[in-house]
Amino acid sequence: EAEVAQSPRYKITEKSQAVAFWCDPISGHATLYWYRQILGQGPELLVQFQDESVVDDSQLPKDRFSAERLKGVDSTLKIQPAELGDSAMYLCASSLAVGAVIAYEQYFGPGTRLTVT
Amino acid sequence: QKEVEQDPGPLSVPEGAIVSLNCTYSNSAFQYFMWYRQYSRKGPELLMYTYSSGNKEDGRFTAQVDKSSKYISLFIRDSQPSDSATYLCAMRRGSNYKLTFGKGTLLTVNP
Repeated sequence: EAEVAQSPRYKITEKSQAVAFWCDPISGHATLYWYRQILGQGPELLVQFQDESVVDDSQLPKDRFSAERLKGVDSTLKIQPAELGDSAMYLCASSLAVGAVIAYEQYFGPGTRLTVT
Repeated sequence: QKEVEQDPGPLSVPEGAIVSLNCTYSNSAFQYFMWYRQYSRKGPELLMYTYSSGNKEDGRFTAQVDKSSKYISLFIRDSQPSDSATYLCAMRRGSNYKLTFGKGTLLTVNP
């Protein structure tokens, strides 16, 4: 069964350091999402890609976060510099898109748990 | 007020019990309603999906949407220890709009 892959699964970093997370969506899924899930909360969308283009990054803290999906396949989310409040689970998800219509089902990866000390 | 409200629990029930999980929302533009299950240290997985008002049944799971009350429910019949997880409601305005999640309810089913 096809799955969304994420790495690393766990990351501990000191504040002010840079961190990067990688996501490989299910093959053929044009839409890719990065979410942040703080402990005890639901996931919140950070950025959505359609192929290589950003379609929604309204909740991405752009002063420190960046995301790219250069070839429209895998994606990287970067935080620089990391702050204590960035400690959370970072989830990647993907969806099939047929033309302009994005399928309702989002398939989530296992997430990267980030701890900033 | 958050757009989607969900009681975080925790909820603890004996095996075989009927479980009721609920969310309320404030945005009347929401049309698509989903329930996700999230096991510890895993990503969410889609359980049920409903468009607009009505009921949908899938095995032991029933999803209900009441748009007039802005209230959605997930019922689990004959609950099993393997149902122990966090249940997240999620909703969106249209097929190309972002998902808005509730906080999630932590459910434990005791053998």
